[in-house]
Amino acid sequence: DAGVIQSPRHEVTEMGQEVTLRCKPISGHDYLFWYRQTMMRGLELLIYFNNNVPIDDSGMPEDRFSAKMPNASFSTLKIQPSEPRDSAVYFCASTSGPNEKLFFGSGTQLSVL
Amino acid sequence: AQKVTQAQTEISVVEKEDVTLDCVYETRDTTYYLFWYKQPPSGELVFLIRRNSFDEQNEISGRYSWNFQKSTSSFNFTITASQVVDSAVYFCALSEVLQGAQKLVFGQGTRLTINP
Repeated sequence: DAGVIQSPRHEVTEMGQEVTLRCKPISGHDYLFWYRQTMMRGLELLIYFNNNVPIDDSGMPEDRFSAKMPNASFSTLKIQPSEPRDSAVYFCASTSGPNEKLFFGSGTQLSVL
Repeated sequence: AQKVTQAQTEISVVEKEDVTLDCVYETRDTTYYLFWYKQPPSGELVFLIRRNSFDEQNEISGRYSWNFQKSTSSFNFTITASQVVDSAVYFCALSEVLQGAQKLVFGQGTRLTINP
């Protein structure tokens, strides 16, 4: 199995630009999570999907962030417009059921200048 | 509300020493799951163990062992005879289903450095 695949690995952009992060979960996993990791706040859950439906988006910082899951094999996290404080590592994770272990992607290192 | 506290921000030991990473959690639910994940310098997050709230048996896997004590709401992780390759950030996490939605909360992590 290929594991959770995220792209890009690194993204450098300028403030105000739109950023799109991509994730392909493990086939057969019904749950997909987006996390953000920073030194100050640690690992924060942004949003998660079950069967492509957003279940809990209470962690999404503000309206500049949006996430979609158009099908079982693809999800995007979009930031528009981006700000320097959005700089972080964004992880996507998938799992087969509630309370099961998460399989994480390699993360996207985002730098907003 | 759920909460996971890893009071040790950083630990540094010499190779072959034993080291224990502490994890204390808060939850009002009786059914929940606890996890440990490892994040090596390469950055990926790797699952180590999952334990449900009804199973208080300690677990040993090679040099790793976990001590779950509901009475003190703790789920501590011990590495015996540490090695340089154990250097990583270790996260404790608490998962439960609340009102139909899964809530998974991570602690702040403990950075473990094993010196040769």
